[in-house]
Formats: sequence, C-alpha cells, structure tokens
Amino acid sequence: GAGVSQTPSNKVTEKGKYVELRCDPISGHTALYWYRQSLGQGPEFLIYFQGTGAADDSGLPNDRFFAVRPEGSVSTLKIQRTERGDSAVYLCASSRRPGTTEAFFGQGTRLTVV
Amino acid sequence: EDKVVQSPLSLVVHEGDTVTLNCSYEVTNFRSLLWYKQEKKAPTFLFMLTSSGIEKKSGRLSSILDKKELSSILNITATQTGDSAIYLCAVVGGFGNEKLTFGTGTRLTIIP
Repeated sequence: GAGVSQTPSNKVTEKGKYVELRCDPISGHTALYWYRQSLGQGPEFLIYFQGTGAADDSGLPNDRFFAVRPEGSVSTLKIQRTERGDSAVYLCASSRRPGTTEAFFGQGTRLTVV
Repeated sequence: EDKVVQSPLSLVVHEGDTVTLNCSYEVTNFRSLLWYKQEKKAPTFLFMLTSSGIEKKSGRLSSILDKKELSSILNITATQTGDSAIYLCAVVGGFGNEKLTFGTGTRLTIIP
C-alpha cells in the first residue's frame, strides 16, 4: 500500500478484556516496529520485527503484551487482560531494510480502556 | 539507557517568525538522529542526521547535528500556521539496534 495502515483507528474496551491491533506495513518493507505514545510523551519502543521474527522485544512492558508477524508482512499486537494504564496511542512503523532507520509511521490506534 | 531531552517543551510565535528547536541526547554508539513532525497521530519524517550527514535542509526547514555537544537543532524560517505541530527528536544507538528513542517533543504553535 501507499503507507502504513493501522486498524482500528480507535478502540474502546473494558478493563480485563483482550484486544488485537493490526498493522499493515508499506509493501516491501522488511522491518516493522510497534511504539506506544501516552499523552504528552514521545513514542515509546515496544517491539521490532525483521521479517517474521521479533528481533527485539525489550520494550514490551509485561507478559500481557504479545505481537506476531507470521508471514513477514501484517503484524498484530495483542494485549490480554487490559488495564486502564494501557490506554494510549499505539503506533506502527515500517522501514525498507535493517539499518535504514528512516521509519514511516501509521496513523495509530487510540486504545481506551474503561 | 539512551536518553533524549528536547527544549523548549512548548513555543508560541507569530506567523513569519523564525524558530529554533533543541534536542540533546545521551546514547551509546551513536548512529543517527531523526526529526519528526506530529500533527495528529502519525509522526511524519523530516530529517535523518548521521556522522556523515550533519546538516540537512528542505525548504524553510533545516537541521544541524553537533556530535561534540551531543545535540541537534531544527530551524524553521518564515513560519506558517501549517507548521503548528509537535516536533519529535529521536536517536538510534548501538550495533544491531533498530529502535528509536524519542524525546517528549516540542509543541509549536504559530499564531496568524
């Protein structure tokens, strides 16, 4: 596609529920990143994929968070037992290849846990 | 742990003014520094600065990297209302490390 696509754009869920956030990167981009941005803060790194594998998941806050990229393209960020503190904008970015840190971001998913 | 500090946190100027935004960083094995503009949700790429490319310019925007002072500035001349946004600075460091470490951003507001 022309740009990084994220769905849904907004998600409201109840505390304790499970959510999935989807990211469709720019065609041909092998690197994919997830970031989380809270109000008034810069984006915070969560996880980085190179192809199908998670090359760096050091930013995932705890084991309720998990992400997959089974075919090396679309990625899904999964959050179990959501908490109010998980409310944030979740941003996905992709770049052409490793070492090219010119990452292009999607519009994000605003997650609200009530 | 990598760290990025941006200043000022917010800035309000009149259309036509020139502004300078600051970014200082602490990073192990510095590789690159990036500037993004964020108007709604998606940060939009502006510049990437590296040891081999310490100065970039695009129209009214320009940026300089000072590796000695571990800092960068983003200049915007003849500001327009469309320049109103949050400007984010990020760094990449380490070998085999691809993650961006962002600052909290500078919120720029241009008054007509």
